[in-house]
Amino acid sequence: DTAVSQTPKYLVTQMGNDKSIKCEQNLGHDTMYWYKQDSKKFLKIMFSYNNKELIINETVPNRFSPKSPDKAHLNLHINSLELGDSAVYFCASSQVFSGPRMGYIQYFGAGTRLSVL
Amino acid sequence: GDSVTQMEGPVTLSEEAFLTINCTYTATGYPSLFWYVQYPGEGLQLLLKATKADDKGSNKGFEATYRKETTSFHLEKGSVQVSDSAVYFCALNQGGKLIFGQGTELSVKP
Repeated sequence: DTAVSQTPKYLVTQMGNDKSIKCEQNLGHDTMYWYKQDSKKFLKIMFSYNNKELIINETVPNRFSPKSPDKAHLNLHINSLELGDSAVYFCASSQVFSGPRMGYIQYFGAGTRLSVL
Repeated sequence: GDSVTQMEGPVTLSEEAFLTINCTYTATGYPSLFWYVQYPGEGLQLLLKATKADDKGSNKGFEATYRKETTSFHLEKGSVQVSDSAVYFCALNQGGKLIFGQGTELSVKP
């Protein structure tokens, strides 16, 4: 059983379209995250939800809107896609929202490779 | 702000060679430190972690020690295998979000 699953694995679309990526975790975790990995493999957090509440919102364009219908799901909707949105998007989850000294592990999905043409 | 710096890659080694991937960090307080590994075409997997100074994390022959005095968390393995070829990420936990280094690609040749 996959712990953190994302769909789709690949997404190819045209500029200007709207698309969604879905993420589900079956680990019983309270906290979920979205990370973006660019073409140089640099990873940066975008959002985090704890028990369906948004707790981290980095400086991400407001074309990106996360939605958490329940604590096991965190979807990412992207409006008006741009070429620069091409990247791999990773969903992750952890047991609790960690403070600086906490060692709670974040478990990652396999990623969604988004290509905007 | 907090940050993580890793040695530049790619790193190419022969099988059974000794591996060191350097990682240093800048942080307020005492963050937890992690090494994640990304095999080709896959997501990130936790390799090891350390939550306080002088802790040593270890897994699958890899080790890293949390050094507060040098703000470092270098990854080492005594004898690499071809199957260790992957991208390795050092990360710290800052207020619940992982701050990653830029990743170091390792290629192990037979």
